[in-house]
Amino acid sequence: EAGVAQSPRYKIIEKRQSVAFWCNPISGHATLYWYQQILGQGPKLLIQFQNNGVVDDSQLPKDRFSAERLKGVDSTLKIQPAKLEDSAVYLCASSLGAGGGGYEQFFGPGTRLTVL
Amino acid sequence: AQRVTQPEKLLSVFKGAPVELKCNYSYSGSPELFWYVQYSRQRLQLLLRHISRESIKGFTADLNKGETSFHLKKPFAQEEDSAMYYCALSRGYGGSQGNLIFGKGTKLSVKP
Repeated sequence: EAGVAQSPRYKIIEKRQSVAFWCNPISGHATLYWYQQILGQGPKLLIQFQNNGVVDDSQLPKDRFSAERLKGVDSTLKIQPAKLEDSAVYLCASSLGAGGGGYEQFFGPGTRLTVL
Repeated sequence: AQRVTQPEKLLSVFKGAPVELKCNYSYSGSPELFWYVQYSRQRLQLLLRHISRESIKGFTADLNKGETSFHLKKPFAQEEDSAMYYCALSRGYGGSQGNLIFGKGTKLSVKP
């Protein structure tokens, strides 16, 4: 089966600019996650969608980050305006459902963002 | 607070030697624990989960609730095991079920 797709793979912007990332999950996967992975750290959850509804965005910096999942399939994560500390790899993952033990998360290749 | 600690940033062993990657966690409920692996130029992928109690690629991990640990072990390391390994904890139930808290990762290097 096709895996989780993400684009772009790399993005370089200057601080205060805006940027958007796109994710296409595995077909039929109801749950979609966005993680932020800063160099030297493990991935940190930003937001979790169940179909097109948000179930957890407690760690999303809502003053600058936004995400949507229209029609419960593709998702877009936006940063506006970007800060230097947003430089990271942004990972999208999907799973059939929302159960850590029962549903494996499949990860995309990530988007590496550099903010200058 | 829920937390996953991997005390070693880098672990270097020779081929054929035993390997143990350490993971300790802090969680108030019944944890679900996982090991994820990222090989060079590949995606992050699930290696094993504690509820399955299975051996994948020769790796095993036992949940020790008394010591709050979930160490990953392999009796004889292979060069192809060289990768970044992340321990992760699944937190919450209901709406947040499935969210993962990751440790910082341990880079395993297996020398020939």
